[in-house]
Amino acid sequence: SQQGEEDPQALSIQEGENATMNCSYKTSINNLQWYRQNSGRGLVHLILIRSNEREKHSGRLRVTLDTSKKSSSLLITASRAADTASYFCATTKGIGNSGGSNYKLTFGKGTLLTVNP
Amino acid sequence: EAQVTQNPRYLITVTGKKLTVTCSQNMNHEYMSWYRQDPGLGLRQIYYSMNVEVTDKGDVPEGYKVSRKEKRNFPLILESPSPNQTSLYFCASSRGLAGPYRAPDTQYFGPGTRLTVL
Repeated sequence: SQQGEEDPQALSIQEGENATMNCSYKTSINNLQWYRQNSGRGLVHLILIRSNEREKHSGRLRVTLDTSKKSSSLLITASRAADTASYFCATTKGIGNSGGSNYKLTFGKGTLLTVNP
Repeated sequence: EAQVTQNPRYLITVTGKKLTVTCSQNMNHEYMSWYRQDPGLGLRQIYYSMNVEVTDKGDVPEGYKVSRKEKRNFPLILESPSPNQTSLYFCASSRGLAGPYRAPDTQYFGPGTRLTVL
């Protein structure tokens, strides 16, 4: 089952507006990452936020993490047509056992953002 | 230039004909993964590797094999491809963050391999 689920599935806004995408997950995590994908291309990392952090910024991007609600949001301010892409959250979860370490990285299905000029 | 490369980028093959998709990274990353992306299903992890000779199944490992004999390479092998393996495949690599579980840091993705199995 999906660990991270983005909401909404699709979002259409006008240039200059802010875009907010949400990600919910089910179990405790080590960190949560947001990625962007232009159609058919490889994913590009945007921001990583660790479980002990609540907010991070990078340029026009702002990510928040609420571990009590098991949710994260990605805010893109003053959107541009070039921001049109799919956005994915990915959660990493430790699956530790004695004598070793392991992890699970799970992507959501993504939010398709369209920014109209 | 730091990058993840995949080859081939496009492949059309027939059912049952063994194929290998190569993946190589030049960043000395510990972690490497393979994903497939299908419409409506997002990215699903096929296999991952935490280091040389250490691999483990992801969410959809059936029909795939991997090996990690060298740190930089992580090939994906389809021994007997079937049409349901038609998909867009991505390789990714990352270093590990400090901490008890060495959770993966930023994933660097390759450009993708579009595979069609007839």
